[in-house]
Amino acid sequence: DVKVTQSSRYLVKRTGEKVFLECVQDMDHENMFWYRQDPGLGLRLIYFSYDVKMKEKGDIPEGYSVSREKKERFSLILESASTNQTSMYLCASSTPDTYNEQFFGPGTRLTVL
Amino acid sequence: GENVEQHPSTLSVQEGDSAVIKCTYSDSASNYFPWYKQELGKRPQLIIDIRSNVGEKKDQRIAVTLNKTAKHFSLHITETQPEDSAVYFCAATLDYKLSFGAGTTVTVRA
Repeated sequence: DVKVTQSSRYLVKRTGEKVFLECVQDMDHENMFWYRQDPGLGLRLIYFSYDVKMKEKGDIPEGYSVSREKKERFSLILESASTNQTSMYLCASSTPDTYNEQFFGPGTRLTVL
Repeated sequence: GENVEQHPSTLSVQEGDSAVIKCTYSDSASNYFPWYKQELGKRPQLIIDIRSNVGEKKDQRIAVTLNKTAKHFSLHITETQPEDSAVYFCAATLDYKLSFGAGTTVTVRA
């Protein structure tokens, strides 16, 4: 049973703070993804990684960076949080096969004040 | 990049009736089309998918159809039940990347 976990369910930060969101998967998946989910906009891809130390920009990478030092862990970093980054953040993982399911974490609800 | 449009944004159906959600995509190179269901407060989970070389796929009460020429695909839920109430997302895959529709909130009325 695939398990994807995220470090926090709820997080409140102040404008300008550096924020780390952590994601860990236990199925040895090569691919990992970060999305943000906003009402009426669906899930939008921020960044993804297909291997350790490899990353590619998604559709909305501005204001974010990522780190993947180990295969099981993928971190999303907000260098200087802003109020428009208040959102639900979802991590996912999958095997490299195009046709394989992405398994999602429970999400982190981030509020930036 | 890929652009996926999903309609309707909300759908209310009587229990036992059918529900249909429609999506269109922009990039003809997209080759995999999954559907995810997200119940309130929970993570999205895959419920059905279809590959570009298949026109229709069915799994019990849910089915998906794909028209590659028109670049649209649809989710059909028959004999709806209260547990079908959720947000449904369509997606199109290009180079490992999923592009999601905006979601459809389905409410099944008892």
